[in-house]
Amino acid sequence: GENVEQHPSTLSVQEGDSAVIKCTYSDSASNYFPWYKQELGKRPQLIIDIRSNVGEKKDQRIAVTLNKTAKHFSLHITETQPEDSAVYFCAASDTGTASKLTFGTGTRLQVTL
Amino acid sequence: ETGVTQSPTHLIKTRGQQVTLRCSSQSGHNTVSWYQQALGQGPQFIFQYYREEENGRGNFPPRFSGLQFPNYSSELNVNALELDDSALYLCASSLTGATDTQYFGPGTRLTVL
Repeated sequence: GENVEQHPSTLSVQEGDSAVIKCTYSDSASNYFPWYKQELGKRPQLIIDIRSNVGEKKDQRIAVTLNKTAKHFSLHITETQPEDSAVYFCAASDTGTASKLTFGTGTRLQVTL
Repeated sequence: ETGVTQSPTHLIKTRGQQVTLRCSSQSGHNTVSWYQQALGQGPQFIFQYYREEENGRGNFPPRFSGLQFPNYSSELNVNALELDDSALYLCASSLTGATDTQYFGPGTRLTVL
C-alpha cells in the first residue's frame, strides 16, 4: 500500500519568513495530494490540494508543488504569521474504488515573533 | 467550518466494552470515511462507506465495523475495546468516493481505561 513520509517533524521560523514542508510517497498510482492544518484540539482543515495533472498550485500565501517523477510534493508558506502555527499533514490518495487518504506523520510549525 | 458533525465529543469506556460513534456528513455528500488519530500521529484510515456500502477498508481488525444510513450519516462501532483504541476518531465526508476532497468533522475523543 501507499506510504507517505513527511519532513521535518518540527519547524520553527520567525514571523515573515517562509516555511517549507516536504513529503514523499511510494505509490505511483496516487493522483491526489491534499494538505491539512490541524490546530490543537481541532479538526484537520484542508488548506490546499493538488492533483497529478498539475505541477504547482497557489492560494495567496500558500503554494504546493508536485514532482510525479520523483514522487514528492511540498508545501510552501510565505510571509508566515503567528496564526500559521499548527501541525500540518500531507496526504496521498490510494486510487481505486475508495479515496483512502494515507497521511504523513505531521510537521509542527511554530512561528515566533 | 465544514458541515460535518460528530457525536459525542468525548467518551470514556473501559476495556472490553463496546462503543458507537456517530457522524453526519455535509449536505450533498454521499461518502463517509473514518480515521483513527492517535496522539501525535497522522490520521489512519479505518474504512469508507459509499451509498450505504463499505467501499474500502484499512488495516483494522473486524471488531471495527460501520454502517451508513440512507441519509448518508454513519456510525463507527468498536467491540471489545482495548487500551490502544484510545484516540481521536475522525469522520470525513466527500461528494463521491473517488479522490474528492474530504472534509473532516471535529472528532470524538475516546479514552479507554
